[in-house]
Amino acid sequence: GQNIDQPTEMTATEGAIVQINCTYQTSGFNGLFWYQQHAGEAPTFLSYNVLDGLEEKGRFSSFLSRSKGYSYLLLKELQMKDSASYLCAVRDQDDYKLSFGAGTTVTVRA
Amino acid sequence: DGGITQSPKYLFRKEGQNVTLSCEQNLNHDAMYWYRQDPGQGLRLIYYSQIVNDFQKGDIAEGYSVSREKKESFPLTVTSAQKNPTAFYLCASRRGRESYNSPLHFGNGTRLTVT
Repeated sequence: GQNIDQPTEMTATEGAIVQINCTYQTSGFNGLFWYQQHAGEAPTFLSYNVLDGLEEKGRFSSFLSRSKGYSYLLLKELQMKDSASYLCAVRDQDDYKLSFGAGTTVTVRA
Repeated sequence: DGGITQSPKYLFRKEGQNVTLSCEQNLNHDAMYWYRQDPGQGLRLIYYSQIVNDFQKGDIAEGYSVSREKKESFPLTVTSAQKNPTAFYLCASRRGRESYNSPLHFGNGTRLTVT
């Protein structure tokens, strides 16, 4: 099974940086995904990590340490539209199953 | 444009009635999934299907049933045996096993309310 933990809420100021941590304990590991979900909408894919290190995509970066069971999503130059829930998801040895954390609600204030 | 269509967006049912949620995709994806989302909880996997005419139970399959008669379609039936059916239901799909980094693509969800 999977145990995936993320903080429940975070608040930051427009233009600032926020780091959302995700820790996981899994019976096997085959990749970690980050999704963004606005209230009442479908989650949308942000990033994928399977090897240790940092993946950068514009204002968003994601980091993975497999030995520590740890990932973070870094959001830079925050904008009001970044206010959303951010979901960490881990794929286990069965390639077809993704397990999700409860999500971190980020509120960006002017 | 390709995508995943869930219908209806809002659904209301009386307790004791079965209800079927529709999910159609035109992305030519092999795998399809049903998740349930409740406030304060992560997405929980109900059922998933890797190919046509095959599906597996997820973590919370009790009280639900599915079918996969066509590649494009993966309907979910919420039966009267499901104790707490009121929730936001999300359907998703992805390419096959050979696409190891293929992300899930989600539909816009169906919000089911049972009273």
